[in-house]
Amino acid sequence: AQTVTQSQPEMSVQEAETVTLSCTYDTSESDYYLFWYKQPPSRQMILVIRQEAYKQQNATENRFSVNFQKAAKSFSLKISDSQLGDAAMYFCAYRSATGGGADGLTFGKGTHLIIQP
Amino acid sequence: DTAVSQTPKYLVTQMGNDKSIKCEQNLGHDTMYWYKQDSKKFLKIMFSYNNKELIINETVPNRFSPKSPDKAHLNLHINSLELGDSAVYFCASSQDRGERGYTFGSGTRLTVV
Repeated sequence: AQTVTQSQPEMSVQEAETVTLSCTYDTSESDYYLFWYKQPPSRQMILVIRQEAYKQQNATENRFSVNFQKAAKSFSLKISDSQLGDAAMYFCAYRSATGGGADGLTFGKGTHLIIQP
Repeated sequence: DTAVSQTPKYLVTQMGNDKSIKCEQNLGHDTMYWYKQDSKKFLKIMFSYNNKELIINETVPNRFSPKSPDKAHLNLHINSLELGDSAVYFCASSQDRGERGYTFGSGTRLTVV
């Protein structure tokens, strides 16, 4: 079974600075998908960014980018120019690309990101 | 025009009761899911339904039963509620195998007293 590990329970960054959230995963598969989700205090789960394992190019979405290291099974999220609205729980998630039907997401335990004004 | 909607948002009930949480998606997605988020914020999948067929049934108590009247709805019914069932329950949906990600509802906070 796949596991996802987020080793930073909490991170703090000054507004306008850059922060990197760590995520590692364990899998024996070669094809899969990785995601970062944001959960603000409103409780809503919001997709931030996704990465396909077969693509070497790191995904970017505006101020959000990932550093995907497939051999190291690492998938970190970099947030540039941090804003107060970025304060939230961030979850790393894994999804298998194989299997006989729909698969669910396996989540890490989350990182609580605090933005200091 | 909420994409995935859950009702109710909050549910407080006594031990031993039976309750249901409703979920509807208007995205035309093929698959719907139920996730449980515990008090430590850990999210774990409970069920998924694809074309009205149960695909995943994780090791959850059989007091929990998903019911899907059609492709756009996946309700969660819980019998004989226990204190340990207190959590936030999220409904989600995805197109095909979810390669593009999952869309989540806003969650239902269930409190069993």
